[in-house]
Amino acid sequence: GAVVSQHPSWVICKSGTSVKIECRSLDFQATTMFWYRQFPKQSLMLMATSNEGSKATYEQGVEKDKFLINHASLTLSTLTVTSAHPEDSSFYICSARDLAGGDNEQFFGPGTRLTVL
Amino acid sequence: GQNIDQPTEMTATEGAIVQINCTYQTSGFNGLFWYQQHAGEAPTFLSYNVLDGLEEKGRFSSFLSRSKGYSYLLLKELQMKDSASYLCAVVDSNYQLIWGAGTKLIIKP
Repeated sequence: GAVVSQHPSWVICKSGTSVKIECRSLDFQATTMFWYRQFPKQSLMLMATSNEGSKATYEQGVEKDKFLINHASLTLSTLTVTSAHPEDSSFYICSARDLAGGDNEQFFGPGTRLTVL
Repeated sequence: GQNIDQPTEMTATEGAIVQINCTYQTSGFNGLFWYQQHAGEAPTFLSYNVLDGLEEKGRFSSFLSRSKGYSYLLLKELQMKDSASYLCAVVDSNYQLIWGAGTKLIIKP
């Protein structure tokens, strides 16, 4: 099946710093990538939908100036958490939809655990 | 609004069968997914239903009734490794995934 990678797997940073998370589709092209956040014992929460070559679409309540998304190519999307604070500590997961796929399946990356001290 | 309902938690015995239900009310329907998620890991794909009926894949089966807005995931011959959360997600008319809160399945020996 299609493979999506994320880097880094985990990161610990000080409050006020910025953190960049990369999401790559390794063996397929993805015009659309999705960024999710998951707090402990809760379901996935969609943060934004990222389309290659255009601005991301953010869900209500998600600050676009705080969570910068860049989808520069068909295989790479990045999420930058700017001026991170402890409340941003969470599990961030990206997913990608296969351009050639016909069943709307999203393939998930392994996730990035962010801890802000 | 859009809504996905599934039980919060279920407990079953190793070797037994368990059925996890999911009901949905969404703006449009373009398919329903079931994902398995172990603690601290990303979700992994289990099944996709877009037409009514039962899809069987090894020990796991998934059923869909579009007229009833209902699906279930059936797990047979339960193993301890099946302890996980099971997420139901519906693709709406905008091709967005609408997620249920997940069902935590606890398997006891």
